[in-house]
Amino acid sequence: SAVISQKPSRDICQRGTSLTIQCQVDSQVTMMFWYRQQPGQSLTLIATANQGSEATYESGFVIDKFPISRPNLTFSTLTVSNMSPEDSSIYLCSAETGTGLYEQYFGPGTRLTVT
Amino acid sequence: RKEVEQDPGPFNVPEGATVAFNCTYSNSASQSFFWYRQDCRKEPKLLMSVYSSGNEDGRFTAQLNRASQYISLLIRDSKLSDSATYLCVVDSWGKLQFGAGTQVVVTP
Repeated sequence: SAVISQKPSRDICQRGTSLTIQCQVDSQVTMMFWYRQQPGQSLTLIATANQGSEATYESGFVIDKFPISRPNLTFSTLTVSNMSPEDSSIYLCSAETGTGLYEQYFGPGTRLTVT
Repeated sequence: RKEVEQDPGPFNVPEGATVAFNCTYSNSASQSFFWYRQDCRKEPKLLMSVYSSGNEDGRFTAQLNRASQYISLLIRDSKLSDSATYLCVVDSWGKLQFGAGTQVVVTP
């Protein structure tokens, strides 16, 4: 399995500001993903981060609100833009490492609180 | 209807006992199935992948019933450290769909 790190691990932000979350994988991976997990709920896929092309967003998530970069095969960023308290959540990145079909490994998450 | 449904629990299990719980999925075309474990305030960690009818890894056994579209997880000889939320995850057209999780609490 891959080792995945995220920065920051947590942050408290004011509404109207933006936060960029970084995700680093210790090996080259084709597929990286960004999820959101709200308190007491399961994971919801925000988007798939594609290297060399625009991210693919799920229904209910748009690029203007959650711009994603994927400059190479080991790194991705997710920005939460113009934040509101409803954006308070845990944001997780994951990667398919190729060890098994669709197997994903997760970073430790970024706990975001918007005041 | 949710794509993946789980009994939220909690399942309170005496240490050393066996516990089993199921998960149902709606997409009959799904090919890959997983159990993840998530501890409080931590990321999900892959516990088992289930690609055929079942899989066993030590005290953990997963079974897949394609006809009835459910997978199960059985934990034998439960340890206190098995206390966690277990997420059922199913691929649906190449994307992972997560259940809301089943909470297991192992008591001394």
